[in-house]
Amino acid sequence: EDQVTQSPEALRLQEGESSSLNCSYTVSGLRGLFWYRQDPGKGPEFLFTLYSAGEEKEKERLKATLTKKESFLHITAPKPEDSATYLCAVPRSIYGGATNKLIFGTGTLLAVQP
Amino acid sequence: ETGVTQTPRHLVMGMTNKKSLKCEQHLGHNAMYWYKQSAKKPLELMFVYSLEERVENNSVPSRFSPECPNSSHLFLHLHTLQPEDSALYLCASSQDSGAGNTIYFGEGSWLTVV
Repeated sequence: EDQVTQSPEALRLQEGESSSLNCSYTVSGLRGLFWYRQDPGKGPEFLFTLYSAGEEKEKERLKATLTKKESFLHITAPKPEDSATYLCAVPRSIYGGATNKLIFGTGTLLAVQP
Repeated sequence: ETGVTQTPRHLVMGMTNKKSLKCEQHLGHNAMYWYKQSAKKPLELMFVYSLEERVENNSVPSRFSPECPNSSHLFLHLHTLQPEDSALYLCASSQDSGAGNTIYFGEGSWLTVV
């Protein structure tokens, strides 16, 4: 069964203290791995898509990497405004392969203290 | 400003009421989705529409009824809901419904059933 597991559940960092979030997945035939950021009371905001092992993408203080079994979201010198829940998801084809269903993890709640 | 707009942002309804959630996407996409987000649970796919054609999701109770009059608009009609249906309901869209397409979310509609 397709599954996405994120760790840790929660992470508290001091401003400037770099760290990484983990997303491990089991899915047959990976068609991409997605990272989203979700602020309290809002919908998920798209960050990155990674399609193949070894791929890396960066956006400001965030860098996402992908291996055959997991993805990491590295946060370099975080600021308080980076505080949010970070979600990862993988797509699974349903209904004969024509339809996209994202399987989400439960997220990592990141708190960056000044 | 998001490309996917949801109204209302907050809704409180009794178990005997009938209400509707509305979604509009301004991205020119051909696929639209309803997701449900409950506390401490991963996002769950409820319904998918591709080019205004509904893809059934048999696990969703019939008290939730989607409607897609055109490729830019999506509704979720609610009737005789239960308190456990209280959650954040997220509308989303993608270029098409194939796996691997990036899905963009709206801000969500917070539903409380009393």
